[in-house]
Amino acid sequence: DGGITQSPKYLFRKEGQNVTLSCEQNLNHDAMYWYRQDPGQGLRLIYYSQIVNDFQKGDIAEGYSVSREKKESFPLTVTSAQKNPTAFYLCASSARGGKSLTTGELFFGEGSRLTVL
Amino acid sequence: AQSVTQPDIHITVSEGASLELRCNYSYGATPYLFWYVQSPGQGLQLLLKYFSGDTLVQGIKGFEAEFKRSQSSFNLRKPSVHWSDAAEYFCAVVDYKLSFGAGTTVTVRA
Repeated sequence: DGGITQSPKYLFRKEGQNVTLSCEQNLNHDAMYWYRQDPGQGLRLIYYSQIVNDFQKGDIAEGYSVSREKKESFPLTVTSAQKNPTAFYLCASSARGGKSLTTGELFFGEGSRLTVL
Repeated sequence: AQSVTQPDIHITVSEGASLELRCNYSYGATPYLFWYVQSPGQGLQLLLKYFSGDTLVQGIKGFEAEFKRSQSSFNLRKPSVHWSDAAEYFCAVVDYKLSFGAGTTVTVRA
């Protein structure tokens, strides 16, 4: 079955540590995204990538880093510079929509919940 | 920047009753609008989308939405709610990338 796989589902981190969240898709989508979700704030875009070896900052990129070495993979690193990293992180992918980055139909993984101890 | 606003943070509805979730958009041209649903601890799933044409669009799980340009709205409706409809619902608009509203949490009481 085609879809998006995120791992781990739950992750605990000590302050000062970097952690990497995995995101893999087998939908052959060009565009991939990382969103952060906090209660009452909806989804906020961290980073997105339109094509391999290229990515762009979203609305809240500070303290995060990404790479896109393969079409299928878009890992997110939460660095020690992120002051409030405890959140639910969602990875998504989509087909491109002509002049738009996306057609609007995003396919989401099941999310990774990061807790800082 | 284009955006959507969901005025209701939380709605409680009885099982079998009708449901309407509000969404207002800010966009100069004809927007591409979407409704997504998120069950607790899960990712989001697309319910329906509007690109152009008929202003009443049908989606999955018995949901529909109506695009009203005069009111800049794209409200989501379901005639009879089931307990499994308890979830968080997000309205979204494409303006190069997809932007989400803050979400409306729906609680279904027996």
